[in-house]
Amino acid sequence: QSVLTQPPSVSAAPGQKVTISCSGSISNIGKGFVSWYQLIPGTAPKLLIYESSKRPSGIPDRFSGSKSGTSVTLAITGLQAGDEADYFCGTWDTSLSLWVFGGGTKLTVL
Amino acid sequence: QITLKESGPTLVKPTQTLTQTCTFSGFSLTSPGEGVAWFRQPPGKALEWLALIYWDDDRRYSPSLKSRLTITKDTSKNQVVLTLTNMDPVDTATYYCTHVRGTLFDFWGQGTPVTVSS
Repeated sequence: QSVLTQPPSVSAAPGQKVTISCSGSISNIGKGFVSWYQLIPGTAPKLLIYESSKRPSGIPDRFSGSKSGTSVTLAITGLQAGDEADYFCGTWDTSLSLWVFGGGTKLTVL
Repeated sequence: QITLKESGPTLVKPTQTLTQTCTFSGFSLTSPGEGVAWFRQPPGKALEWLALIYWDDDRRYSPSLKSRLTITKDTSKNQVVLTLTNMDPVDTATYYCTHVRGTLFDFWGQGTPVTVSS
């Protein structure tokens, strides 16, 4: 049981938009910033979004993040086959004193 | 360019100690604000943060694993070593090291799979 809650899977056709939600509580998402990571088996995980909505250099603007209260959302537009991956949200939990993550969402590009 | 690479055994027996080494380049663990963290991901499960060490030797551990974990750094070799004692099959996972700047895990290694089995 993960501290942050994500849908297990999402899917959409190439070119479409998909959103992945991540919900938490006042002690984690409600208190601070959230990061999103992309995991593709056999490759190094990639930081996609930090501070809930900022993109590191090199991450295309097809990826965007937003936050509202104790939830965050990752949006991916113009879906490409290469976007198929597992996506995790993560942040610091002030009550547990550790970094916590969602269970991950598997994105399938149909 | 920051790169990190994990190395260590891929198979350990129950009760043994796991020693994983993270060798990095592109930054120095003597520079203020820099750090290295370790995570793991059991098959089909979520990422789990394990430990972190900063440039000033400030060390943080996951509370649930603190009694079993040790993280150390060797700045002359650009390496960070994680040890996890008393390994159990539930510790089977892919272990990752990451670069930390402040509280941002911005560059990751490819990970090394570790299986715990007799």
